[in-house]
Amino acid sequence: DVKVTQSSRYLVKRTGEKVFLECVQDMDHENMFWYRQDPGLGLRLIYFSYDVKMKEKGDIPEGYSVSREKKERFSLILESASTNQTSMYLCASSRQGTNEKLFFGSGTQLSVL
Amino acid sequence: EDQVTQSPEALRLQEGESSSLNCSYTVSGLRGLFWYRQDPGKGPEFLFTLYSAGEEKEKERLKATLTKKESFLHITAPKPEDSATYLCAVQANQAGTALIFGKGTTLSVSS
Repeated sequence: DVKVTQSSRYLVKRTGEKVFLECVQDMDHENMFWYRQDPGLGLRLIYFSYDVKMKEKGDIPEGYSVSREKKERFSLILESASTNQTSMYLCASSRQGTNEKLFFGSGTQLSVL
Repeated sequence: EDQVTQSPEALRLQEGESSSLNCSYTVSGLRGLFWYRQDPGKGPEFLFTLYSAGEEKEKERLKATLTKKESFLHITAPKPEDSATYLCAVQANQAGTALIFGKGTTLSVSS
């Protein structure tokens, strides 16, 4: 069964901490994505990557960075966590090409105190 | 600006009471429209992709249809296990492979 695995289900961090969210997929997908999901705002794209070492900004990249050193792994980095980054973070992957469906991980619920 | 609007925000049905969820979109050229189901505490799970107006797809009690301005997710004789949030997303020509999501419709089916 295909899988997108996010390293933590729940995470609690302090304001100002550097936070790493890890995502691994086992489907040999070229594309990987990071979304955040907030009540009333829906899913918003933070960053995505078409290939190793490549990254593209999504709709809300401010305060975030990403790293993709290997094809199967895509990391989201919060350089200095703030309370407004408390959210559900969802990683997804897809094959290269148009109209390819996204496979999502189970999400990481991050609380920044 | 590309936009996806889903209605209603929430829908309560009795078991067996059929209904429809709406997804209206404004995009500069549609490559595809996607429906996902999301259970509480989980990531979205793919249901359907629709590519062109007039297309329909079915899966068990769900049927998705597409026009040039909107898509409907019809739920026939729903069961309590159909309770979930249903998300609509579009892929626009100018957005590459990144999907634009609506805010979702939360469906509750009671027995």
